[in-house]
Amino acid sequence: RKEVEQDPGPFNVPEGATVAFNCTYSNSASQSFFWYRQDCRKEPKLLMSVYSSGNEDGRFTAQLNRASQYISLLIRDSKLSDSATYLCVAGKSTFGDGTTLTVKP
Amino acid sequence: EAGVAQSPRYKIIEKRQSVAFWCNPISGHATLYWYQQILGQGPKLLIQFQNNGVVDDSQLPKDRFSAERLKGVDSTLKIQPAKLEDSAVYLCASSAPYRGPNTEAFFGQGTRLTVV
Repeated sequence: RKEVEQDPGPFNVPEGATVAFNCTYSNSASQSFFWYRQDCRKEPKLLMSVYSSGNEDGRFTAQLNRASQYISLLIRDSKLSDSATYLCVAGKSTFGDGTTLTVKP
Repeated sequence: EAGVAQSPRYKIIEKRQSVAFWCNPISGHATLYWYQQILGQGPKLLIQFQNNGVVDDSQLPKDRFSAERLKGVDSTLKIQPAKLEDSAVYLCASSAPYRGPNTEAFFGQGTRLTVV
């Protein structure tokens, strides 16, 4: 079993849709949580850190549930430019395999 | 601010040959990471340095992979001898001195290695 597991996707949604990604982690000692975005053939870039209280950045909301060892990312009002692979990270350096999102006109 | 620099961008070698990758982190970043990303998977940590000391190399295949970070700045990752399954993108990342558990890591563009 992988340390960080994500919905494999792919998610294909129309512009303006709301989409949610889930991620579970197995190491209960993890203290750091992130969502990274990776465009095709590019390096990962930080989308947002995930805090225990939950946090929001514009159209993006991240939630952490330590009891269930679960992280989520919600994207509202999807844009074509949101098309990418979204990587969940638990601990400083353990990545999931990513969920691919395609937003269509 | 200059980002993480990596070279070469692309490399094609035959199996059993040797190869080396170079990384220059963001100035002032004490922590440096090397990741291996196989197509369709997330990055897998190979080794983490804090200054010039190794923090974590538990997933580095030490029979063929080696890495060093002399003087706590630039780093090189070497594979000798390469196998077909080493075909991947090798990503270098760095992060600033610890500012709490959510200190961000910045990635370079990676080196795409193809072993034939």
